[in-house]
Amino acid sequence: DIQMTQSPSSLSASVGDRVTITCRASESITTYLNWYQQKPGKAPHLLIYGATRLQSGVPSRFSGDGGGTDFTLTISSLQPEDFATYYCQQSYITPPITFGQGTRLDI
Amino acid sequence: QVQLVQSGAEVKKPGASVKVSCQVSGYTLTELSIHWVRRAPGKGLEWLGGFHPEDGETIYAQKFQGRVTMTEDTSTDTAYMELGSLRSDDTAVYYCVHIDFDDYGTLDSWGQGTLVTVSS
Repeated sequence: DIQMTQSPSSLSASVGDRVTITCRASESITTYLNWYQQKPGKAPHLLIYGATRLQSGVPSRFSGDGGGTDFTLTISSLQPEDFATYYCQQSYITPPITFGQGTRLDI
Repeated sequence: QVQLVQSGAEVKKPGASVKVSCQVSGYTLTELSIHWVRRAPGKGLEWLGGFHPEDGETIYAQKFQGRVTMTEDTSTDTAYMELGSLRSDDTAVYYCVHIDFDDYGTLDSWGQGTLVTVSS
């Protein structure tokens, strides 16, 4: 199974900051990497798919980069509504569907 | 637009079983690949299994083999997930989710979640 490792596991930042979250796969997944945001009490929702493609309706301050084994999610200027938990997910070799352990972004 | 509506919260005793439903609208169940994901308190997202189009069958995560059963009623467009031999560490929010394997395997539509609490 492909293992996904996110870093950091938690992060404190301020409104207006630029933040980057990293996700590493245990083997190459080309660009089959998706990012999700989850807020307390809510279901996750898709932000970025195919490593770099912005899901419709997601603000342009979110961006994804990478390929192979190393990927990043960047928020260019944090807004109050961005404080949440973020997950990466690989879909190159399934099953199983595998997620990173999550990055909690706090104020 | 796929919409997924799940059944309500459940409280179960250790050793019991729970069955969670997921009503589909906007599409028919046969057009979709419905999977189940959970999030336990303080933990991350965990995939339990679902219909895998490449294999043409329902696949379960190894961890849950023998304890989980996923079924579908195409007459009512409802998917079900039954988890047996419940333990306290099965306490979690369970989500049904559609996976679009034609578009980077994205989990693009989620149910609202069903809290399952396992407690004596």
